Amino acid sequence: DSGVTQTPKHLITATGQRVTLRCSPRSGDLSVYWYQQSLDQGLQFLIQYYNGEERAKGNILERFSAQQFPDLHSELNLSSLELGDSALYFCASSVGQGQKETQYFGPGTRLLVL
Amino acid sequence: GNSVTQMEGPVTLSEEAFLTINCTYTATGYPSLFWYVQYPGEGLQLLLKATKADDKGSNKGFEATYRKETTSFHLEKGSVQVSDSAVYFCVCKGAQKLVFGQGTRLTINP
Repeated sequence: DSGVTQTPKHLITATGQRVTLRCSPRSGDLSVYWYQQSLDQGLQFLIQYYNGEERAKGNILERFSAQQFPDLHSELNLSSLELGDSALYFCASSVGQGQKETQYFGPGTRLLVL
Repeated sequence: GNSVTQMEGPVTLSEEAFLTINCTYTATGYPSLFWYVQYPGEGLQLLLKATKADDKGSNKGFEATYRKETTSFHLEKGSVQVSDSAVYFCVCKGAQKLVFGQGTRLTINP
């Protein structure tokens, strides 16, 4: 158990809908990262927050957004969902954001868009 | 940007065999290197890491050495077990984000 929690574990929804994925980082970790794992794209970095502020953006679509709240939990919002958004979404956390820091991953949320 | 190339799988071995999964990276500066493992139906777990050249990371019998001259971070284990069956990801970390290799699916047969 990494100490990172994600809810829900599974999510099934329809095209055009909007969903929110939630992540609670390990106690004491200030950085939260979101990743998408799909069969065709592999594991890709989406976005990072540090202590409530956005710090880095990867291959995140404009239909997707995220935020980190004062209690440090984070939410990833996916809107106007398409079939291709079906994937496993991981959250990771680390204490800071240094190059040598380890990121600890949650168990993921499996999203299926029908 | 940074990139990681991993040995293509799947890899199937018998129990107690020697394992090598090759990994090479392209990066500017001095990245940190990691191996993560994903067991069936689970999230990613850190297996080992190395943060500077010639560092050796090790855990659960697995080892990998950060070779700057060959830009490699090959994963090895002397004697694999059935419980090692999983997908292994070589990962490079630059300033902030992790860059993943494509993953290597390892199956160990009894």
